Amino acid sequence: KAGVTQTPRYLIKTRGQQVTLSCSPISGHRSVSWYQQTPGQGLQFLFEYFSETQRNKGNFPGRFSGRQFSNSRSEMNVSTLELGDSALYLCASSLQGQGVVNTEAFFGQGTRLTVV
Amino acid sequence: GEDVEQSLFLSVREGDSSVINCTYTDSSSTYLYWYKQEPGAGLQLLTYIFSNMDMKQDQRLTVLLNKKDKHLSLRIADTQTGDSAIYFCAESINNDMRFGAGTRLTVKP
Repeated sequence: KAGVTQTPRYLIKTRGQQVTLSCSPISGHRSVSWYQQTPGQGLQFLFEYFSETQRNKGNFPGRFSGRQFSNSRSEMNVSTLELGDSALYLCASSLQGQGVVNTEAFFGQGTRLTVV
Repeated sequence: GEDVEQSLFLSVREGDSSVINCTYTDSSSTYLYWYKQEPGAGLQLLTYIFSNMDMKQDQRLTVLLNKKDKHLSLRIADTQTGDSAIYFCAESINNDMRFGAGTRLTVKP
């Protein structure tokens, strides 16, 4: 069974540009959550999509957006990039949603975004 | 500040026990988790504990929960060099998960 796949693994962008990251969940999983990981802030929740609907949202500005397709694949978009957006972006997939123990969350390897 | 707090670094010698501590602030947390992140990898669920449990043991791992003090700990017995990683504790309330900043465990031979 394939794991959670995130593409690309590494990305370098300049300030002001926009970026789209992709996450393919484990087959059959309907929930995809996105997290930002930085050395200073740790792991912070961005949003969760379930069956193509945003179900939960963290405390991030509107420059961060996402969507989920009918095959459960999800994309995350960051517009008008800032230097502080440099981070490892992780996605996690699960059957029913984050925080539900009997549907464990599986994480991808992440996309490392560097903004210069 | 963060809702879930952990110390950032822990260094132990191979064969010793490691204890990683975590405090959380929301008493309505239903489940508490420990995740492990190895270099270049995503997070891997190690173990979890229900909020109405005090202790859970799983091979070399022991999780202790003090609900009164909102304190969670992960003990790794006979720590090995392969245990070197970042360990995250997390709490879940309804459909929201909150993570600590992670504790970097270094195991010296």
